[in-house]
Amino acid sequence: ETGVTQTPRHLVMGMTNKKSLKCEQHLGHNAMYWYKQSAKKPLELMFVYNFKEQTENNSVPSRFSPECPNSSHLFLHLHTLQPEDSALYLCASSQDHARTVSNQPQHFGDGTRLSIL
Amino acid sequence: GQNIDQPTEMTATEGAIVQINCTYQTSGFNGLFWYQQHAGEAPTFLSYNVLDGLEEKGRFSSFLSRSKGYSYLLLKELQMKDSASYLCAVRGRDDKIIFGKGTRLHILP
Repeated sequence: ETGVTQTPRHLVMGMTNKKSLKCEQHLGHNAMYWYKQSAKKPLELMFVYNFKEQTENNSVPSRFSPECPNSSHLFLHLHTLQPEDSALYLCASSQDHARTVSNQPQHFGDGTRLSIL
Repeated sequence: GQNIDQPTEMTATEGAIVQINCTYQTSGFNGLFWYQQHAGEAPTFLSYNVLDGLEEKGRFSSFLSRSKGYSYLLLKELQMKDSASYLCAVRGRDDKIIFGKGTRLHILP
């Protein structure tokens, strides 16, 4: 039990489908993150939310749309994805995104394995 | 540009010691993290270094030299369950955390 739960664990979708990934954290953290993990590439930060406000969008295409209704939940809405978007999508949380607590590690969920047909 | 380098793969023997190196070039430095990730699972936090020197935590130790942009993770008394990927990550001046590609460690009996 990592304290960060992601659903679904696996998702196969066509390029014209719309789906959403869900992340929930039970750690009382204030910052949440979406990462993309592709084979033979480093973890790529996509979005950062701190106290429900989006503080970072790492030049992510608009076909990925995040939503953070509260500090415990984070969604990633997917629309008209491309085959190169097939990857493991990891959600993480941390106490805060501010430098004052920079030693706080991120706690990751097990990820959603996304396959685009 | 910002870059983190670590070996792609390493192999070691059960009971032995292995050192996984990480070098970085980043815009500023606010700490370095090591994570362990088993196949199909979440990365889990192992260690954090922000000052030069060695941090020991059981069988795992992590070392940092800020002047050299260098860190290593030392694993002692290796066990089969230590077979995993080890991710080096650096928090830069703007608080962005940049990850390396990870080192896949294989433990042989």
